[in-house]
Amino acid sequence: GAGVSQTPSNKVTEKGKYVELRCDPISGHTALYWYRQSLGQGPEFLIYFQGTGAADDSGLPNDRFFAVRPEGSVSTLKIQRTERGDSAVYLCASSLNGGESTDTQYFGPGTRLTVL
Amino acid sequence: KNQVEQSPQSLIILEGKNCTLQCNYTVSPFSNLRWYKQDTGRGPVSLTIMTFSENTKSNGRYTATLDADTKQSSLHITASQLSDSASYICVVSYDRGSTLGRLYFGRGTQLTVWP
Repeated sequence: GAGVSQTPSNKVTEKGKYVELRCDPISGHTALYWYRQSLGQGPEFLIYFQGTGAADDSGLPNDRFFAVRPEGSVSTLKIQRTERGDSAVYLCASSLNGGESTDTQYFGPGTRLTVL
Repeated sequence: KNQVEQSPQSLIILEGKNCTLQCNYTVSPFSNLRWYKQDTGRGPVSLTIMTFSENTKSNGRYTATLDADTKQSSLHITASQLSDSASYICVVSYDRGSTLGRLYFGRGTQLTVWP
């Protein structure tokens, strides 16, 4: 069946520009997560949605980062005034319930963001 | 500070050999520990999930162990195959009751299997 998909797969932008990254979770999964992975590092938590609401956004590094999930399925991660330090792979994951801490998270292939 | 440390950082073994990857964590209170496999250019894929009451869990040629007292886990790979070449990431869940525990990721061990 279809897994988590992310678009675009690669995004190159200039410093100061605005970007949007999209995540399509597995159908029926209520929980959605965004992570950021820098080269040679493990993923770093950014934000977690339960349905349409952000249950935990404490991982967002600053107010240039914002994410939405208006209908409880597709999510968009928005980054304003991009900086070179934002360059990373942005991973999205979804899980069936999210309310159980042992819920398996299924990851998408990621979007590689490069800020020049 | 909640941390997850993995060793070795990288490992090269010959096809057919066994290997063991280590994970130490300081996350507390602890909910569960997961091992993920991440192929280059792909998202992580879950291998095992263990709660604090479980000592070992297997998934095919992968066997994970957990010692919640010493806060150590290991992932043992038996009879390695070329397709095992990947980054193996240890992930620890912080227990926050009924809501999702925050996940703390290690940096991963990069495993390369040579023919």
